[in-house]
Amino acid sequence: DGGITQSPKYLFRKEGQNVTLSCEQNLNHDAMYWYRQDPGQGLRLIYYSQIVNDFQKGDIAEGYSVSREKKESFPLTVTSAQKNPTAFYLCASSPGTSGGYYEQYFGPGTRLTVT
Amino acid sequence: GQNIDQPTEMTATEGAIVQINCTYQTSGFNGLFWYQQHAGEAPTFLSYNVLDGLEEKGRFSSFLSRSKGYSYLLLKELQMKDSASYLCAATDSNYQLIWGAGTKLIIKP
Repeated sequence: DGGITQSPKYLFRKEGQNVTLSCEQNLNHDAMYWYRQDPGQGLRLIYYSQIVNDFQKGDIAEGYSVSREKKESFPLTVTSAQKNPTAFYLCASSPGTSGGYYEQYFGPGTRLTVT
Repeated sequence: GQNIDQPTEMTATEGAIVQINCTYQTSGFNGLFWYQQHAGEAPTFLSYNVLDGLEEKGRFSSFLSRSKGYSYLLLKELQMKDSASYLCAATDSNYQLIWGAGTKLIIKP
């Protein structure tokens, strides 16, 4: 079955620790995205990648880092510099990013709690 | 600036019809998406509109007016499983999605 996987579903960390969230897709999509979702707010874009070895900052990239070494994988690292890391993190992919309609497919999400 | 507005919460009765409105302001426009999100789960695609008018898909329909910066999602014959948040997202000139905060729909028996 094609889809996007994120692991783990729940993650707990102590303040000051870096943590990496995984995202893998087998849809052969070129574009991948990381969003953060907080209660009462829309999805906010952290980073996106249109092609392997290239990625762009979204609206709230500070305190986060990503890599795109393989088409299938787009891990997100939440660093200790991120002031409010506790949130629901969603990874998505789409066939492309320009030229028209490209629906985004979402993974199940990782709920990160930092105390 | 870019902005998407939709009501925070709506309540409807099982079997009834509900309309969820969305207004948008974006720099450029390349279409509008509606997604459904059950609590704690990933959003799933419902519809996409880029031209003015109504798109019907089973019990769900979506309408777009580009001149008014307005869209709505119409849900008919409501079922309890339709209780979820409905997210409106507009595509800007860079083909990036600008997301609304979502409308939580509560269905009562």
